[in-house]
Amino acid sequence: QKEVEQNSGPLSVPEGAIASLNCTYSDRGSQSFFWYRQYSGKSPELIMFIYSNGDKEDGRFTAQLNKASQYVSLLIRDSQPSDSATYLCAVYAGGTSYGKLTFGQGTILTVHP
Amino acid sequence: DGGITQSPKYLFRKEGQNVTLSCEQNLNHDAMYWYRQDPGQGLRLIYYSQIVNDFQKGDIAEGYSVSREKKESFPLTVTSAQKNPTAFYLCASGASGGYTFGSGTRLTVV
Repeated sequence: QKEVEQNSGPLSVPEGAIASLNCTYSDRGSQSFFWYRQYSGKSPELIMFIYSNGDKEDGRFTAQLNKASQYVSLLIRDSQPSDSATYLCAVYAGGTSYGKLTFGQGTILTVHP
Repeated sequence: DGGITQSPKYLFRKEGQNVTLSCEQNLNHDAMYWYRQDPGQGLRLIYYSQIVNDFQKGDIAEGYSVSREKKESFPLTVTSAQKNPTAFYLCASGASGGYTFGSGTRLTVV
């Protein structure tokens, strides 16, 4: 069983719609959760992080965390073609992870005009 | 500006040749990481180092070697034992607060 799983893609949404990206994790003691965006041929860049249950908003992006369900999501409102990228979910499990993040396999998002 | 510098951006390796990828950071991070990414795939951990003069194997360490003689530097050598080295290599630093990635090195076998 994979430790961090993301919803299978690719995900295609029309411009202006809400894109919903989902991630589940297996370690119930996980402490920190991150979303990275990776454009084709480029390196990942951190766009959101969340530590506490609930929602965290930053512009058009909202990260949602539900530790009881071991579920973290990223919502992108008013999606733009420039949001087309691969989105990687990463989890820090704490304890013997010694700072290591575990990454999901990524979800490809395409926003079409 | 603080950041991570990877070089070269593109690298070509001949059969049987060892090549070294450079990674330098000025973020004062203790921990550094090397990942491999194949087309359409996620990140796979090769090696990581949490402190100078110490490093650990990741999930796919075979055919690779690293050193950590300075806090700022974590070079990766792709040896001739790595039979399928063509991939995008990413260096990162950071820890539980999130990673910063370098711009990557694209390695191709010729």
